[in-house]
Amino acid sequence: AQSVSQHNHHVILSEAASLELGCNYSYGGTVNLFWYVQYPGQHLQLLLKYFSGDPLVKGIKGFEAEFIKSKFSFNLRKPSVQWSDTAEYFCAVNADPSNTGKLIFGQGTTLQVKP
Amino acid sequence: DTAVSQTPKYLVTQMGNDKSIKCEQNLGHDTMYWYKQDSKKFLKIMFSYNNKELIINETVPNRFSPKSPDKAHLNLHINSLELGDSAVYFCASSPQRGLSGNTIYFGEGSWLTVV
Repeated sequence: AQSVSQHNHHVILSEAASLELGCNYSYGGTVNLFWYVQYPGQHLQLLLKYFSGDPLVKGIKGFEAEFIKSKFSFNLRKPSVQWSDTAEYFCAVNADPSNTGKLIFGQGTTLQVKP
Repeated sequence: DTAVSQTPKYLVTQMGNDKSIKCEQNLGHDTMYWYKQDSKKFLKIMFSYNNKELIINETVPNRFSPKSPDKAHLNLHINSLELGDSAVYFCASSPQRGLSGNTIYFGEGSWLTVV
């Protein structure tokens, strides 16, 4: 069965620190990869996505992610976090061979940025 | 204009009641979904419809019944509510089913509390 694993469950950083959140998936075929962010009490917003092409993708708010096919990874990075980045971050994979479009989500990482 | 809208946003109800959550998307998408986020913030797909046809029906109690009157609407009806149904329910939509650069857009969520 396909699965998505986010290694960090809870990350605490100070403002201006660099961020890297790990995401690994288990599926050998074609994948679409996503990072979503959920601010406290709000809905899921798309941060960035990878479909094909350049494995380094840039998203909103200074976030970027790198797809490394050989490692089945899609780690999220930001060079300098802000207090407003405090949120829950979800990695998700669309890899359904039945072509239904369903997303498999990781467990989520809670990011707390201290001012 | 909200792209994927759900109502109600908050719902508190007693065990045993029947309730519905409505969802509408104005993006012209063919595919709609219901995801459930539990108290540990884990997101899991429940149902998906493509052009009013049910294409995903995960292991969900049959007390949950989705209905899609047209491709812009996907409602979720829950019978005989139980305490364990307390969660956030997210509606979502995508241009089409499957991969091929398919991005899924989420609604703002419906917070259901069963007491």
